[in-house]
Amino acid sequence: DVKVTQSSRYLVKRTGEKVFLECVQDMDHENMFWYRQDPGLGLRLIYFSYDVKMKEKGDIPEGYSVSREKKERFSLILESASTNQTSMYLCASSGARARDYQETQYFGPGTRLLVL
Amino acid sequence: KNQVEQSPQSLIILERKNCTLQCNYTVSPFSNLRWYKQDTGRGPVSLTIMTFSENTKSNGRYTATLDADTKQSSLHITASQLSDSASYICVVSEGDYKLSFGAGTTVTVRA
Repeated sequence: DVKVTQSSRYLVKRTGEKVFLECVQDMDHENMFWYRQDPGLGLRLIYFSYDVKMKEKGDIPEGYSVSREKKERFSLILESASTNQTSMYLCASSGARARDYQETQYFGPGTRLLVL
Repeated sequence: KNQVEQSPQSLIILERKNCTLQCNYTVSPFSNLRWYKQDTGRGPVSLTIMTFSENTKSNGRYTATLDADTKQSSLHITASQLSDSASYICVVSEGDYKLSFGAGTTVTVRA
């Protein structure tokens, strides 16, 4: 079974703090994604990566950065957390081949982040 | 404006009853459509996937239909169980990395 794990289920941070969210997948997938999920809205893509050290902006990259130093690990970084970044963050991975986006995306359990 | 609209936003049904969820999309070009199930506190899990040429796909008690001409899809849950209580998300793919997600329908099954 595909397993995508996220470092924390719940996080509480203060405005201005630097926040790291980590995601690890064990299926040797090339593609990894970070989304945020807010009530009444569909999932929105923040960043994705189709290979180690490669990253591309999604629909809402402002205020976020990412790092992919190893194939299995994709980190989302909030350089200076703000209250409007309070949300559920979901990591996903897909595809045995880079940029094979037709493959089903497998999601982690999510990290619920509260920024005070 | 969201290119994937789902209805209803939420519904409550009694155990063992059937229900149907709707998904209308405007995404173009269209590659495939997926239905995901998301249990509370968990990430979404894929239920079905349909390409342009398919008009129905089943996964146990879940049956998805697709009308690519009218750009509509439905997810039918047969003989609902308490474990079907979840959010159901319609996801449309344009064929590249771009996925368009609906906001989801929250289903509550009551005994």
